[in-house]
Amino acid sequence: GAVVSQHPSRVICKSGTSVKIECRSLDFQATTMFWYRQFPKQSLMLMATSNEGSKATYEQGVEKDKFLINHASLTLSTLTVTSAHPEDSSFYICSAPGGRGDYNEQFFGPGTRLTVL
Amino acid sequence: QKEVEQNSGPLSVPEGAIASLNCTYSDRGSQSFFWYRQYSGKSPELIMSIYSNGDKEDGRFTAQLNKASQYVSLLIRDSQPSDSATYLCAVSLFSNTGKLIFGQGTTLQVKP
Repeated sequence: GAVVSQHPSRVICKSGTSVKIECRSLDFQATTMFWYRQFPKQSLMLMATSNEGSKATYEQGVEKDKFLINHASLTLSTLTVTSAHPEDSSFYICSAPGGRGDYNEQFFGPGTRLTVL
Repeated sequence: QKEVEQNSGPLSVPEGAIASLNCTYSDRGSQSFFWYRQYSGKSPELIMSIYSNGDKEDGRFTAQLNKASQYVSLLIRDSQPSDSATYLCAVSLFSNTGKLIFGQGTTLQVKP
C-alpha cells in the first residue's frame, strides 16, 4: 500500500518547450498532493500544494504561471513546467499524505528528472 | 536560522556499528516528525514517524524525540553497507496538513 507513481521518470526537452509531469496515488485517494524540487546536493524544497477541486497553493518565490498544477481527480495531480529553461533542470518529486491512514505520513513518487537543453 | 537543521556529514561508521543521526528544529509548535532515507538519484522513502516524546523502535531503527530540547534523532543498529544513503529529517508544523519542512540531510557511509 501507499504507492505513488510519477510519469515520466526522465525527460529531456529544448528550451522554451513545456513539460507535463503526472503524479498518481495508486492504492489510495489523495485530496492533497505536494510538489517538490531538488537540486543536486540539496534538500527537497516544497514548490506547491495541489488541492483536488480547488487552486493550488504556491510557496513563496515559486511562479504559479510557470509551474501550472492541476489536481484532476482524487488520484491524479499534474505539474506543467511552461516555457522551460536550463535553470529549471532539476529533480521533481511529488508526494501524497495519508496512504497508511495517517494523514501526517507522506509518501513520495519516484521522481522525474528534467533536463532542459 | 534554518527551521530544521542537520549535520550534512558525511557520517562514517563501520559495518555492524550503531549510527546516530541528529536533527534540531526551531518551531516549538511542531507536531510531527519523520525520518526519510534517500539513495542517490532516488526519491525519499519513509523510515520512521514519531509524534510524542520518547523512543519508537522499528526493527534496527529507533527514533527519539525530545520536544523540550527540540531534538529528534535516529539510531540505526547493526549498520549495513546498504544503509549508506542520505537521511532526511522532516517536521510538520500543523497536524493533518501533510506539509513538511525538510532538513538538508545527513549522508551516512557504512564501511564494510
